[in-house]
Amino acid sequence: EPEVTQTPSHQVTQMGQEVILRCVPISNHLYFYWYRQILGQKVEFLVSFYNNEISEKSEIFDDQFSVERPDGSNFTLKIRSTKLEDSAMYFCASSEAVGLSYEQYFGPGTRLTVT
Amino acid sequence: ILNVEQSPQSLHVQEGDSTNFTCSFPSSNFYALHWYRWETAKSPEALFVMTLNGDEKKKGRISATLNTKEGYSYLYIKGSQPEDSATYLCAFISGNQFYFGTGTSLTVIP
Repeated sequence: EPEVTQTPSHQVTQMGQEVILRCVPISNHLYFYWYRQILGQKVEFLVSFYNNEISEKSEIFDDQFSVERPDGSNFTLKIRSTKLEDSAMYFCASSEAVGLSYEQYFGPGTRLTVT
Repeated sequence: ILNVEQSPQSLHVQEGDSTNFTCSFPSSNFYALHWYRWETAKSPEALFVMTLNGDEKKKGRISATLNTKEGYSYLYIKGSQPEDSATYLCAFISGNQFYFGTGTSLTVIP
């Protein structure tokens, strides 16, 4: 069964460093998402992406964050200058069609630890 | 920031019992409601996508109902099995953004 994959599974970085989290969505999916979950808190929406551009972003998704689909398969989340409070699980998801009434398929997550 | 509440936070039931839990959300600007099942160390898995007031969806022993006018959705599990043990998350979609609840953690005791 097709699945969303994410790499790395765990990333440790120092405060102020840049990190890139990678996702490979399901191949025929068109809509991509990033979420994060800080330990003990709710899952939070960061951004949605369609047709090579951001379609929606939350207030969390500020200038230190960016997303890119550099080729036909990868979808990346870049955090330019990490802060301690960026430590969280980051989940990528994809859905096959445009529209929020379609179910999303989640990846296993990347645990980001900022020290 | 919209508030999505789930209750109870956790639930322990005996194998074979039926159970239900609630997702409460704002009754305005509704677009869709998603239910996800999240097992430990795995990815959230979509259970239902609900868009219309009065929607009822079913997948095996699990079903869900939706009331957009009063802002709630119920998830029911009939005859709980140990493999149903997981966290059940709802996500309210409004203004093209997702707002997740904190989840209900279900443990089914054999």
